[in-house]
Amino acid sequence: DAKTTQPTSMDCAEGRAANLPCNHSTISGNEYVYWYRQIHSQGPQYIIHGLKNNETNEMASLIITEDRKSSTLILPHATLRDTAVYYCIVRGRAAGNKLTFGGGTRVLVKP
Amino acid sequence: NAGVTQTPKFRILKIGQSMTLQCTQDMNHNYMYWYRQDPGMGLKLIYYSVGAGITDKGEVPNGYNVSRSTTEDFPLRLELAAPSQTSVYFCASTHGGVRTEAFFGQGTRLTVV
Repeated sequence: DAKTTQPTSMDCAEGRAANLPCNHSTISGNEYVYWYRQIHSQGPQYIIHGLKNNETNEMASLIITEDRKSSTLILPHATLRDTAVYYCIVRGRAAGNKLTFGGGTRVLVKP
Repeated sequence: NAGVTQTPKFRILKIGQSMTLQCTQDMNHNYMYWYRQDPGMGLKLIYYSVGAGITDKGEVPNGYNVSRSTTEDFPLRLELAAPSQTSVYFCASTHGGVRTEAFFGQGTRLTVV
């Protein structure tokens, strides 16, 4: 699976949009981009995933560039409960379709 | 559905002791995974299974064993606990296929002293 690069940490203001970048320059054509988050060392929580089209659900939006080498997770109106570590993961069909976690981005939402 | 359930939530082991971490899911998922997470780090894959009777090693399998006799259960066995196995352990499951999300349990916090 392709590796991902994310900023180590970022702050955002409550009520504002949070834009979390991720680089995955070696992604291959059949690999998906997944986003998970982990709050207070709880089990990771699924947020969203996509292949090449932009995706939106009740939690977030995922914007994938046309060349698929990077993506951005958008939390439209960040709340204090969105404070968490966010993981961008490239997932392919190898080895049981496993999720390979990197270091993630530690997001702190401030009042 | 209860989702993915892990037991126990916390455990302290002495060096050399053995234990089994339990994981069960009620979603009829074919794929199951065991991860460990050390403080401040991302999750690392220990073992995975793509169906009953089939298991395979992940990134950090040494010191662990697994079995998958049923679709629902995927226990992780530590035979001779070592301080390096102090970690938080997460079990996950997914129906299968790279387009399906994986669900995680709430973790087992293990300390080996």
